[in-house]
Amino acid sequence: NAGVTQTPKFQVLKTGQSMTLQCAQDMNHEYMSWYRQDPGMGLRLIHYSVGAGITDQGEVPNGYNVSRSTTEDFPLRLLSAAPSQTSVYFCASSQYGQGANYGYTFGSGTRLTVV
Amino acid sequence: GDSVTQMEGPVTLSEEAFLTINCTYTATGYPSLFWYVQYPGEGLQLLLKATKADDKGSNKGFEATYRKETTSFHLEKGSVQVSDSAVYFCALKVTGGGNKLTFGTGTQLKVEL
Repeated sequence: NAGVTQTPKFQVLKTGQSMTLQCAQDMNHEYMSWYRQDPGMGLRLIHYSVGAGITDQGEVPNGYNVSRSTTEDFPLRLLSAAPSQTSVYFCASSQYGQGANYGYTFGSGTRLTVV
Repeated sequence: GDSVTQMEGPVTLSEEAFLTINCTYTATGYPSLFWYVQYPGEGLQLLLKATKADDKGSNKGFEATYRKETTSFHLEKGSVQVSDSAVYFCALKVTGGGNKLTFGTGTQLKVEL
């Protein structure tokens, strides 16, 4: 059982370039989300999805797009990379229910540097 | 809004010492509380959780008790090992909050021989 798989693990971009961070899970989880982790700021929610075809913004969505065409995949797109987007990005998934208390399963992260 | 406050690190301990990492929260609803651990170069892993007041979560020798009266969820371990060196995150999820987790800033623990 692979869990949550993120690719690539490392990426260097030039300012203005675009790229897609991939996230895939094989646990049939309805809920998927993207966080960024910055020193001293913990994890901040970028976008999330409660099922295929449904996405919504988190705390820091600017500069990022997402789509959810299948239950398994939840890619994160950087449209025009900026140095402020240098960070470690984590994808997480879980079962979904408004009253539920499921923990998240995290991927191993993508370390992105924008120069 | 919902928020989690953790003690700042790094916390440096000798092996076999007692560990406490403080966590307090503010929530508009009635939250579930979680501790996650992040080992170097890895993603976060769920360590333990508690879903109602006075519940005690436990795993791998770590414990935390949900204290509603003090809005706290402090992480404790009686005897730490070098292998416990990691970053620890306290988090909350409010029922009806769309399954979103709100994280603290994390506390780095270093255990030395």
